[in-house]
Amino acid sequence: AQSVTQPDIHITVSEGASLELRCNYSYGATPYLFWYVQSPGQGLQLLLKYFSGDTLVQGIKGFEAEFKRSQSSFNLRKPSVHWSDAAEYFCAVGAGAGTASKLTFGTGTRLQVTL
Amino acid sequence: DTGVSQDPRHKITKRGQNVTFRCDPISEHNRLYWYRQTLGQGPEFLTYFQNEAQLEKSRLLSDRFSAERPKGSFSTLEIQRTEQGDSAMYLCASSLTESEAFFGQGTRLTVV
Repeated sequence: AQSVTQPDIHITVSEGASLELRCNYSYGATPYLFWYVQSPGQGLQLLLKYFSGDTLVQGIKGFEAEFKRSQSSFNLRKPSVHWSDAAEYFCAVGAGAGTASKLTFGTGTRLQVTL
Repeated sequence: DTGVSQDPRHKITKRGQNVTFRCDPISEHNRLYWYRQTLGQGPEFLTYFQNEAQLEKSRLLSDRFSAERPKGSFSTLEIQRTEQGDSAMYLCASSLTESEAFFGQGTRLTVV
């Protein structure tokens, strides 16, 4: 069965600083990988996804992520964080083979942005 | 807005009562998913439908839980004889086959 580990429960960065959120996955085949963002009391918004092809994927709001098969990682990055980026971030892996949308989520990383 | 819609947004119920939540997926999305999210955790898969067929149920979905998707459109999730441990955010998502899932804003259930 697939699993996702997000090692950092809580991260604080200053506005304008760079950001990297870590994600490691366990899955036997080629994974479908996603990053979602959740604001307090809200649902999940998709930031970006990786299905195949270029291992560096661009998403919305200036986010990008890099798939590294050798490290089983899919880390999320942003060069310059804005105060509005404060939220909970979830990495997820899809079951694949016709069920890309059935997701296994990590426990999330809460991002705090200081001004 | 044509996103995934969930109703109600909040529900407070007494232990032992039955509750039902509704999810309206994005039009023409053939897949519909239910997830449960407890405080400080990521969402956990409960069940999913392809059109009207319920294809998979998680072992988290006890006998007190039932989900339906009549005619392959909206879906309902019913919890019978609610327990305090059922308190959580219930999230619905929809997708086209092999594509990303779009989530609704969730229904927050509080069992008192």
